[in-house]
Amino acid sequence: EVQLVESGGGLVQPGGSLRLSCAASGFSFSSYSMNWVRQAPGKGLEWVSYIVASGNIIYYADSVKGRFTISRDNAKNSLYLHMNSLRAEDTAVYYCARGGATGNFAGYWGQGTKVTVSS
Amino acid sequence: ETVMTQSPATLSVSPGESVTLPCRASQSVSNNLAWYQQKPGQPPRLLIYGASSRASGIPARFSGSGSGTEFTLTISSLQSEDFAVYYCQQYNNWPPLTFGGGTKVEIK
Repeated sequence: EVQLVESGGGLVQPGGSLRLSCAASGFSFSSYSMNWVRQAPGKGLEWVSYIVASGNIIYYADSVKGRFTISRDNAKNSLYLHMNSLRAEDTAVYYCARGGATGNFAGYWGQGTKVTVSS
Repeated sequence: ETVMTQSPATLSVSPGESVTLPCRASQSVSNNLAWYQQKPGQPPRLLIYGASSRASGIPARFSGSGSGTEFTLTISSLQSEDFAVYYCQQYNNWPPLTFGGGTKVEIK
């Protein structure tokens, strides 16, 4: 059974940093691209970042470029999102999601971790 | 950026009825279109990919169609568990991946 479990969310002050983790199991993690997608309270879905299976191709949404860094450790079956210079508008539930075999749709999602940026 | 538009934001439907949810892309996305269902407090669940292919375990009452810029998700004979928010997402012209704003299907 495919499982994605996010952790690392919490309350942080504006300008602060946080590192999210996503532990993967039940599939060959090193064979799949991964995404982070977020959802602000009461709002829709917003794609944040993408990393290819090998880790050597990375993309970011303009809203987080230069502040967030995606990475992965295939030996540990883990995905990460390092978030710096956090803003109130980064407040959201952050989901890790596995890319599809035939395109970058999200076939599997974690339960999400909540990030609140507030003073 | 390819803008995905879902309208209306809310549809009121009676159980047992069928409903068609539209999704429009600002430029062609070929058939690289996915649909997701999301219930309160839960992550999204993939329903359809490739515009018309059902994901594993998805009931046959869910069907997708369209290509280019116009797409629809049809749910035939709505069940109580189908009342939720539905999102479309294009994965043809990216980055960025883009989602529609969602359509909430509520009980009439």
